[in-house]
Amino acid sequence: DAGITQSPRHKVTETGTPVTLRCHQTENHRYMYWYRQDPGHGLRLIHYSYGVKDTDKGEVSDGYSVSRSKTEDFLLTLESATSSQTSVYFCAISGLAGASGGELFFGEGSRLTVL
Amino acid sequence: QKEVEQNSGPLSVPEGAIASLNCTYSDRGSQSFFWYRQYSGKSPELIMFIYSNGDKEDGRFTAQLNKASQYVSLLIRDSQPSDSATYLCAVRGGGAQKLVFGQGTRLTINP
Repeated sequence: DAGITQSPRHKVTETGTPVTLRCHQTENHRYMYWYRQDPGHGLRLIHYSYGVKDTDKGEVSDGYSVSRSKTEDFLLTLESATSSQTSVYFCAISGLAGASGGELFFGEGSRLTVL
Repeated sequence: QKEVEQNSGPLSVPEGAIASLNCTYSDRGSQSFFWYRQYSGKSPELIMFIYSNGDKEDGRFTAQLNKASQYVSLLIRDSQPSDSATYLCAVRGGGAQKLVFGQGTRLTINP
């Protein structure tokens, strides 16, 4: 199994509070991703990183920020949590670029509930 | 139009039969195609990927790609109850480093 650890695995918070989810990898992979998964929507990309301090937005980035100060850590921050951000969040990593391969390996997920 | 669309499901198949899962995509520049399996409450796990037109077989699984029709499918032969899961299709565009996922198809194999 790919060495990916997400923390916390479960969190309940209140509307308006900041929340940070952490993804830690031991594979030294260049690419890291944050997805959210909601019923009927599959996995939707929030942000991704292609190197230390290099990040870009995905399709549902509003209300989220990310940081990557080290290869192994990718942080997702909800600046002011809202109930619409209640979801399961998956971190993923990929070591390959280009047209072939480049599959993602996923962490175990972090379930966030915003009351 | 969504970038990646899958059978709305849920799909129910008797044990031992062939399960067929379908996916269409909108970006003609897409170059790599992936099938993931996700059990309830678990993270997605890669089944296989394909990037050339035609068929690719791995055990009981066959991925089929038709770039002209912008269509990719997954066949599961001799379906087993353990194949019951949600199947996610994902597409990587040319030169892009991100995967776009379909909404998933829930498959149930009935003993």
